[in-house]
Amino acid sequence: AQKVTQAQTEISVVEKEDVTLDCVYETRDTTYYLFWYKQPPSGELVFLIRRNSFDEQNEISGRYSWNFQKSTSSFNFTITASQVVDSAVYFCALTFNTGGFKTIFGAGTRLFVKA
Amino acid sequence: SAVISQKPSRDICQRGTSLTIQCQVDSQVTMMFWYRQQPGQSLTLIATANQGSEATYESGFVIDKFPISRPNLTFSTLTVSNMSPEDSSIYLCSAWTGGSYEQYFGPGTRLTVT
Repeated sequence: AQKVTQAQTEISVVEKEDVTLDCVYETRDTTYYLFWYKQPPSGELVFLIRRNSFDEQNEISGRYSWNFQKSTSSFNFTITASQVVDSAVYFCALTFNTGGFKTIFGAGTRLFVKA
Repeated sequence: SAVISQKPSRDICQRGTSLTIQCQVDSQVTMMFWYRQQPGQSLTLIATANQGSEATYESGFVIDKFPISRPNLTFSTLTVSNMSPEDSSIYLCSAWTGGSYEQYFGPGTRLTVT
């Protein structure tokens, strides 16, 4: 089965706390792509990062970092020193090419950052 | 990169009517998709819009309800037919640029059916 699981429905933190959003995926494909998107209250989807299945190198970009581990089929996302503007729904997504090229999304994690 | 625009941005429609949503990409793209996001939910793929041929629908979505056209590599339309309140959702157009392996999304069309 092809599946993305974001077990955390909602997370609430106080500003400046670090927060990690979990993503676990299932796929039969050996080539696939993983994404994180942010959806602020305004509704648009903002692309954050893409990783392909051959690139397990973790990445840090400013206050964002990502931890991709194929051994555990996880692609977790950490925000360091969270800010109120980080409040949004965050989606993890998996793109694969079995049965047709398509992307499936996790259920999303709603992050509340309180001042 | 690709910039995607959608029209209309939002609409309020009467039950039983149809609405056509337009999606325009500023560059030729390999693939285009339509998603639905029901209130408070995640995105669900409706179909892949195939250029010059019939769209490929996901389970639970049918052509009679969601006819899709893609006449060229930069444009697609999605029609929501015979609408009911359950069709109230955000409909998003998406494009995949094969070379950069990026998937871009339009701003969405917020549909309310009364």
